[in-house]
Amino acid sequence: GENVEQHPSTLSVQEGDSAVIKCTYSDSASNYFPWYKQELGKRPQLIIDIRSNVGEKKDQRIAVTLNKTAKHFSLHITETQPEDSAVYFCAASRAGGGNKLTFGTGTQLKVEL
Amino acid sequence: DTAVSQTPKYLVTQMGNDKSIKCEQNLGHDTMYWYKQDSKKFLKIMFSYNNKELIINETVPNRFSPKSPDKAHLNLHINSLELGDSAVYFCASSHLRDPTTNYGYTFGSGTRLTVV
Repeated sequence: GENVEQHPSTLSVQEGDSAVIKCTYSDSASNYFPWYKQELGKRPQLIIDIRSNVGEKKDQRIAVTLNKTAKHFSLHITETQPEDSAVYFCAASRAGGGNKLTFGTGTQLKVEL
Repeated sequence: DTAVSQTPKYLVTQMGNDKSIKCEQNLGHDTMYWYKQDSKKFLKIMFSYNNKELIINETVPNRFSPKSPDKAHLNLHINSLELGDSAVYFCASSHLRDPTTNYGYTFGSGTRLTVV
């Protein structure tokens, strides 16, 4: 089955700096890669996603890049703000897999003033 | 008008008891899921139903039994609760219009289960 690895497990940045979180996946048939943000005590919320026919996608301060050959994808957050502090999860799924998402282990992002 | 609602939000119970968690979505999605989030925050799928039909059943003890009376509802019943069942259980829903296209989930607010 699919295995998704995520790094780093914790990330601390100064407000205004950029943050990058990286994930690798094992199943070459995976074709959908969403990212979720989970604030303390809250539900995971979808913040951006990318499909395998696209190499990069951007939405305001967040962007995701995908390298299918290397089987890795990354989340980039620019101009970080304190409200960006949360746990971020990457995930992967394959067509025909019942839309099953396999999640990475999460990255605790802390944005310091 | 919460999109995916779970009840109860908190559940504290003794070992050996039987408990249920309910989930309802009003998004018109055709697929619902149960995920378990352990103390290290790892999210792992347990079950998935598409239009009331079980389509994903991961390696979960038989003590866990999902039920989907219709595509807007998915409940989880747990028998003979054990200490290791303590976790946050998230319900989620999504579209699954065709086998070739995947979609992101909308999660419920979670049920924190504590077995003592």
